[in-house]
Amino acid sequence: TQLLEQSPQFLSIQEGENLTVYCNSSSVFSSLQWYRQEPGEGPVLLVTVVTGGEVKKLKRLTFQFGDARKDSSLHITAAQPGDTGLYLCAGAPGGYNKLIFGAGTRLAVHP
Amino acid sequence: EAGVAQSPRYKIIEKRQSVAFWCNPISGHATLYWYQQILGQGPKLLIQFQNNGVVDDSQLPKDRFSAERLKGVDSTLKIQPAKLEDSAVYLCASSLGQKQFFGPGTRLTVL
Repeated sequence: TQLLEQSPQFLSIQEGENLTVYCNSSSVFSSLQWYRQEPGEGPVLLVTVVTGGEVKKLKRLTFQFGDARKDSSLHITAAQPGDTGLYLCAGAPGGYNKLIFGAGTRLAVHP
Repeated sequence: EAGVAQSPRYKIIEKRQSVAFWCNPISGHATLYWYQQILGQGPKLLIQFQNNGVVDDSQLPKDRFSAERLKGVDSTLKIQPAKLEDSAVYLCASSLGQKQFFGPGTRLTVL
């Protein structure tokens, strides 16, 4: 069974701080996606990483895929209250677009 | 472009009752997914359709859950009879390629 473990589970920080959340597995994934989910809404895709070692930036968010394609990290610079939400990583083991989700990191950014 | 529509948004039932959820995917999206998201966990794939055919239903509890996608457009997910542990948010998603678009979900509470 392929599992994705996310850490930390919860993170409460002040506006302007930097943070990193992690997504780890013992399995290799063909690609990995990061989503943000707000209360009462479905997850919204932020980024897809495909190549081992790949780094992608989305404004203040930096995503990295591990060299072995088993882990990933999300770094947020100068967090803002609008970054508050549940951050989910999801791995595609291959094949027909099936995704396996981690349990998520719940981030709260306080003004 | 209209997003994935789901109804109802909320449902409260007693155990052993039946319930059905409806999903209308984004127009033209051939692939449709139903996920179950239990509080504190990431979404878990229940069933994946490609047009009106089932691609993956390996995690669907088939003794009580059923799903159909007649005509390859909208879909219904049914639970009969419901158990307490079925309390969760049921998310529908659709995709044309690798990117999945999620609906807002139906929050089911089983008492």
